Amino acid sequence: KNEVEQSPQNLTAQEGEFITINCSYSVGISALHWLQQHPGGGIVSLFMLSSGKKKHGRLIATINIQEKHSSLHITASHPRDSAVYICAVRQGAQKLVFGQGTRLTINP
Amino acid sequence: DAGITQSPRHKVTETGTPVTLRCHQTENHRYMYWYRQDPGHGLRLIHYSYGVKDTDKGEVSDGYSVSRSKTEDFLLTLESATSSQTSVYFCAISEAGAYEQYFGPGTRLTVT
Repeated sequence: KNEVEQSPQNLTAQEGEFITINCSYSVGISALHWLQQHPGGGIVSLFMLSSGKKKHGRLIATINIQEKHSSLHITASHPRDSAVYICAVRQGAQKLVFGQGTRLTINP
Repeated sequence: DAGITQSPRHKVTETGTPVTLRCHQTENHRYMYWYRQDPGHGLRLIHYSYGVKDTDKGEVSDGYSVSRSKTEDFLLTLESATSSQTSVYFCAISEAGAYEQYFGPGTRLTVT
């Protein structure tokens, strides 16, 4: 069993829909990261959080440390949000353990 | 965007040949990382560096070596490439170990 599990693996939605991607982990962590990988391959850091909730534009990330679970929400989704979203947990100072990613497709 | 470049961006090589991938940063960040990304796996850490000449192994370090002689450059070497090392390789940097990591554009390596 992977230490970091994401669901769903693939998600297709219509423009404007509210999107939720989930991340569950089974290890102790010091922080959790959400990353975005565009079709061209580049990886961009979206959020780093260790508690509560963060918001940036239409993106919201939440984490529940007790339940070892995080969610990434996208409001008013747009085709340009189509990408692979990756959850990663930080163990100690150096090690990041990555989930396999969720492929999101937003149709016009 | 963080100033990170990787070279080459694409490479095809034959089994048994040595290969060196270069990561170059202009941010003066202390930490640099090499990851590989394969279908069915998340990104996996190969090696990382926490300063000039200071490196350590990650979870998939077998068959790889690294060197960092300058703050800005981190080299990944496959001494004798194998088909199992066909992958996309990403370099990342961070100001300190527990900070956000910024990723390079990736290098697609094919070993035939």
